[in-house]
Amino acid sequence: QSALTQPPSASGSPGQSVTISCTGTRSDVGGYNYVSWYQFHPGKAPTVIIYDVSKRPSGVPDRFSGSKSGNTASLIVSGLQAEDEADYYCTSYAGGNTYVFGTGTKITVL
Amino acid sequence: QVKLQESGPGLVKPSETLSLTCTVSGGSISSFDWTWIRQAPGKGPEWIGHIGRKGNTNYNPALKSRVTLSLDTSKNLFSLILTSVTAADTAIYFCATDYNFFLNVWGQGTTVTVSS
Repeated sequence: QSALTQPPSASGSPGQSVTISCTGTRSDVGGYNYVSWYQFHPGKAPTVIIYDVSKRPSGVPDRFSGSKSGNTASLIVSGLQAEDEADYYCTSYAGGNTYVFGTGTKITVL
Repeated sequence: QVKLQESGPGLVKPSETLSLTCTVSGGSISSFDWTWIRQAPGKGPEWIGHIGRKGNTNYNPALKSRVTLSLDTSKNLFSLILTSVTAADTAIYFCATDYNFFLNVWGQGTTVTVSS
């Protein structure tokens, strides 16, 4: 299992949009529609913000959206807010009840 | 709402065995599947393994020879055992619910340092 590739950082001013990519292979991202995204704030329990590529759990603002094309998934954060500053990790099902995480992207709100 | 709390020793000596537990509240351990994840300093999370509500397990191939997951239905908790630890096992260890191909609820994590 190799980690999914994400850009180390992304940034935007309040109100702007940022997009984070998550690139894997046909054995994970490309092979299943089971990509999820997690928000990590230091010292807090991580939370899921997108599952099944593009579904939002209840309570997650619709500013967060997800998509996938081939072996690359994307997280789009629209209308950036200060509280969106955090680390974001993608995860994909990789078959056989196994999962692989992304390398992580830190979003900075300027 | 299910809540999870990890607990463990904090400090483990090299070559020894790490034992962590994840206590479940607000729900029955027999109602969900469970996962352990860890995050080493400065790195992305690493999936360690999955244990189903009936005790079936799947492990990260890189850790499979050293990891054992188990359920304790009498105490409503599940556990991770990692043998022959090295400094590379220093990490924050998280437990989470494994809900239809995503990790729905996470604990806050417990920090484990491997050092003599």
